[in-house]
Amino acid sequence: DQQVKQNSPSLSVQEGRISILNCDYTNSMFDYFLWYKKYPAEGPTFLISISSIKDKNEDGRFTVFLNKSAKHLSLHIVPSQPGDSAVYFCAARGVNAGGTSYGKLTFGQGTILTVHP
Amino acid sequence: AAGVIQSPRHLIKEKRETATLKCYPIPRHDTVYWYQQGPGQDPQFLISFYEKMQSDKGSIPDRFSAQQFSDYHSELNMSSLELGDSALYFCATRPAFSSYNEQFFGPGTRLTVL
Repeated sequence: DQQVKQNSPSLSVQEGRISILNCDYTNSMFDYFLWYKKYPAEGPTFLISISSIKDKNEDGRFTVFLNKSAKHLSLHIVPSQPGDSAVYFCAARGVNAGGTSYGKLTFGQGTILTVHP
Repeated sequence: AAGVIQSPRHLIKEKRETATLKCYPIPRHDTVYWYQQGPGQDPQFLISFYEKMQSDKGSIPDRFSAQQFSDYHSELNMSSLELGDSALYFCATRPAFSSYNEQFFGPGTRLTVL
């Protein structure tokens, strides 16, 4: 039961263009969403996050959009740079019925982004 | 800046052996999470600790156990290892009393079971 899905295994973009990575989720109890970037032989590195009460969060070249009704979020990278080439994971944090979060993250399968010079 | 430290970085074991993975959090981070990432898969939550107490449990086999010590480092103990336990094991930490929702990951321990 994949509660967080990244349906595109890979994405190839030209340097300077926009990269759009997508993520869908099924669990309406998720209250916080995060994007992580991962290079080979390294742990995931936090990139940007968004609370479920917001629909947009921006940090430099990175913007995350959340469409709660569609249970969809996306990460926009503008402009894309070759150093952005990595695996991008979407992750979601859930709360239990009592509204308590213990912080565990549920990850998507990842999207391999390749930015060509 | 200090990061999450995991040791060892690589570990090779035989079937039915035991393994211990260690995680040293970023200073002042008192919450620790363990994740397992199999080949070509997404990281799966195993177990977490807050202030030395288990706070949540995921898909962790009964053969595995973990604990958090007084200095907040954590150890994941794995017994009767199986071939399917071969994976990357990540530790992530965060400070509990803060607005941080982000978890900071270590570099991982690659466990290979032969």
